[in-house]
Amino acid sequence: DARVTQTPRDKVTEMGQEVTMRCQPILGHNTVFWYRQTMMQGLELLAYFRNRAPLDDSGMPKDRFSAEMPDATLATLKIQPSEPRDSAVYFCASGSGYEQYFGPGTRLTVT
Amino acid sequence: LAKTTQPISMDSYEGQEVNITCSHNNIATNDYITWYQQFPSQGPRFIIQGYKTKVTNEVASLFIPADRKSSTLSLPRVSLSDTAVYYCLVGELNYGGSQGNLIFGKGTKLSVKP
Repeated sequence: DARVTQTPRDKVTEMGQEVTMRCQPILGHNTVFWYRQTMMQGLELLAYFRNRAPLDDSGMPKDRFSAEMPDATLATLKIQPSEPRDSAVYFCASGSGYEQYFGPGTRLTVT
Repeated sequence: LAKTTQPISMDSYEGQEVNITCSHNNIATNDYITWYQQFPSQGPRFIIQGYKTKVTNEVASLFIPADRKSSTLSLPRVSLSDTAVYYCLVGELNYGGSQGNLIFGKGTKLSVKP
């Protein structure tokens, strides 16, 4: 049963520190998404890639967030420097047509 | 971008059929309707997708009228484990066009009681 994996599952860090979240999409999926979920804002699309090329990152705060796909098996989302308002659950998803398969998420807490 | 409107919450009892309606008045010709389910502390999970009329799978049915301005997700004989948030999304296949199928909104929180 193919699944999207994310690491770490939980991350607690102090304001100003760099945070890197990793995602392994399902093999064969050509599109990878990053979402952020908070109680106030719900699920927000941050960025997505197709065939490893960024298609849209308009949902990301450009000054501190960056997303990359170094290869087809790894997607990363980096926050530098982190701020308390970045505290949220970050989901990675992958897909190849219309359905998105979500990972378990990374719960980030910035103190 | 086809905006969707769903009830914020619904209550039901075990064994009942639940129908959640989503309005999408400005749906485009190429748009499909997709529903996801999200349990607490998990990522959303695809339930069903359709373009018109009726689609059924082992989990749910999706009813779409001829004008496609709304759709209804039907969950037969719900159980406590169906308590979750249900999202309706509208957009083109392959996440194209307006990418409406990447906009999750607030969803409908379904609470199933014993």
